Order: sequence, then structure tokens, then C-alpha cells
Amino acid sequence: DAGVIQSPRHEVTEMGQEVTLRCKPISGHNSLFWYRQTMMRGLELLIYFNNNVPIDDSGMPEDRFSAKMPNASFSTLKIQPSEPRDSAVYFCASTYLRQGRSPLHFGNGTRLTVT
Amino acid sequence: DQQVKQNSPSLSVQEGRISILNCDYTNSMFDYFLWYKKYPAEGPTFLISISSIKDKNEDGRFTVFLNKSAKHLSLHIVPSQPGDSAVYFCAARNPGGYQKVTFGTGTKLQVIP
Repeated sequence: DAGVIQSPRHEVTEMGQEVTLRCKPISGHNSLFWYRQTMMRGLELLIYFNNNVPIDDSGMPEDRFSAKMPNASFSTLKIQPSEPRDSAVYFCASTYLRQGRSPLHFGNGTRLTVT
Repeated sequence: DQQVKQNSPSLSVQEGRISILNCDYTNSMFDYFLWYKKYPAEGPTFLISISSIKDKNEDGRFTVFLNKSAKHLSLHIVPSQPGDSAVYFCAARNPGGYQKVTFGTGTKLQVIP
């Protein structure tokens, strides 16, 4: 089990540029989440997919943010155009959704810095 | 609007002593609570959980207590070890379907040898 794999680990970009973050969930998991971590707000849920379909994107801060899951093994989070306030650590997590207890499995995150 | 609050950003404890991490929540509809542990440069990992129908759950050195009337939960670590030094996130799940989990801002625990 390779765990949830995120890339890149670090991304530094200039304001106005497009940023794409990538995630490979654990094989067999049917639910995928994108979170953003900041000091002030902790871990915020941005968007959730179930069986590759976006279910809840109410946490996406603005239209500049978009996420896709073209298949069960890959998801992207795109920011276009990026702004300095987008600087944060972005985590992807996956789980197998079922009744009861299904803890999230997180990747190691992408640290985004927008200058 | 922080529905899950961890009011102590940091905590220092001597090795061998008890560590108590606290968490408060505002949404009485939460039905399941979790604690995650996070080391630097890694993602959070699941530690322990408790259902809203229980008031205590124990797993080795880790015990979580839930006080529903006070909307408060706590994580006890006994005895604390240097390897427990990490950021601990409290999380709560909304009922009614998918795993919408709301996290707190975290408490950084330092266990001093």
C-alpha cells in the first residue's frame, strides 16, 4: 500500500500564474477529499468526490479554484490565477465510504507559496 | 465560523506524565469524533475516534473522553513519550451520508525528555 501520493511536494509560483496540484488516492478507495491547511483556520475541506463525482464543493473559496477527478486513480486541484493568499499546504485524502467508521488517509501535502 | 475549536495552540509536557488535549464543538449534530496526529512534512494520520453515543474510548496509551452536554472532548495520553510530539487535530463528522469531517486548528504537543 503506497498510500495517498501527492505531487509536487513544494510549489513556488508568482501571482497570476496557474497552479496544478495532483493526487493519486489509495487503490480501492471510492472517496477523495481536498483540504487546505492554514494557521488561522486549520484544515478546511475544499471539495469532496465520491466515485469520481464531485459531491460537495461548497468549501472552494472562489471561482479561481477548480478540481477534477477524471478516473478513480487521479485528481487535480487547479488555481488560476493564483494569489499570495492562496499560500498554504494542500492535502489530498481518500477513504472507502461505508456506513460507520472510515478514517481519512492523507497524503503528505503540497506546500504552495505564491509570491 | 469555527465549529470545532482547539483553543490551546501548544502544550508542553514532561516525558512520563499525562498529556491532555482539549477540543470544543458547537454543532450538536456531530455524530462521530476523531483525533488525528501530524508530524512535520507529513499528512495527518488517524489516531482514535469516539461515537457520540459513548463517553469514553481507549486504545493503549490513548483515551478520548466525550462530554456531550458540554460539547467538549479531550484526548489523554498516558504516559507521554517524546515520539508523541506532534500536532494533534480534533475532528467531527456531520451525519447524513458522506464523510464531511470538520477539523480544528490543531494543538502542538511537545513531550520533553
